[in-house]
Amino acid sequence: QVQLQESGPGLVKPSGTLSLTCAVSGGSISSNYWWSWVRQFPGKGLEWIGEIYHTGNTKYNPSLKSRVTILVDRSKNQFSLKLTSVTAADTAVYYCASLYCGGTSCHASWFDPWGQGTLVTVSA
Amino acid sequence: DVQMTQSPSSLSASVGDRVTITCRASQTISIYLNWYQQKPGKAPKLLIYAASTLQSGVPSRFSGSGSGTDFTLTISSLEPEDFATYYCQQSYPVFTFGPGTKVDIK
Repeated sequence: QVQLQESGPGLVKPSGTLSLTCAVSGGSISSNYWWSWVRQFPGKGLEWIGEIYHTGNTKYNPSLKSRVTILVDRSKNQFSLKLTSVTAADTAVYYCASLYCGGTSCHASWFDPWGQGTLVTVSA
Repeated sequence: DVQMTQSPSSLSASVGDRVTITCRASQTISIYLNWYQQKPGKAPKLLIYAASTLQSGVPSRFSGSGSGTDFTLTISSLEPEDFATYYCQQSYPVFTFGPGTKVDIK
């Protein structure tokens, strides 16, 4: 069973860059899944950030696309998230998750499993 | 983007009750609707995918139905471990989630 674990700083200054890593264990990051980031705001709403395939192909939420970069490191079996120009509105629990992509345009897709999540606070 | 709504936003129920949660999409999404359960301090857990297919290991008291824009999640007989928040999610063109339904103890 694949397991995912997020890591990274829990506090980021406004206008700085949020950087997180997700380590994948119990399976290969080169398997037939996409690898995603999802965040949950303090009010509990969930927002998909983006995803990456082991080939390096990425898809991003249009609302965040200008600030997001997701990379994969096959040698370390992990992937990462960078979010630039952060503000307090980016304060959230950040989850990494495996995404099963079904259909030609991933229109039949679901997130499973998820990492435990890591709280990132944006504050001076 | 496809907007998702859920009703009710919260409900109180007792062990053994039948519970139904509704999710509505702002445009038709066929059967491409998933349900997650989240307990406090934990990550969401996939319960049902493609509207009605139970994820492996999920108890059979959970069931899902619907297509197009209207979907339901039903818990046939509530167990103590089912008190949680439930989210729906659709996949195209951008993954979006419903706002959640909190099920707590009456």
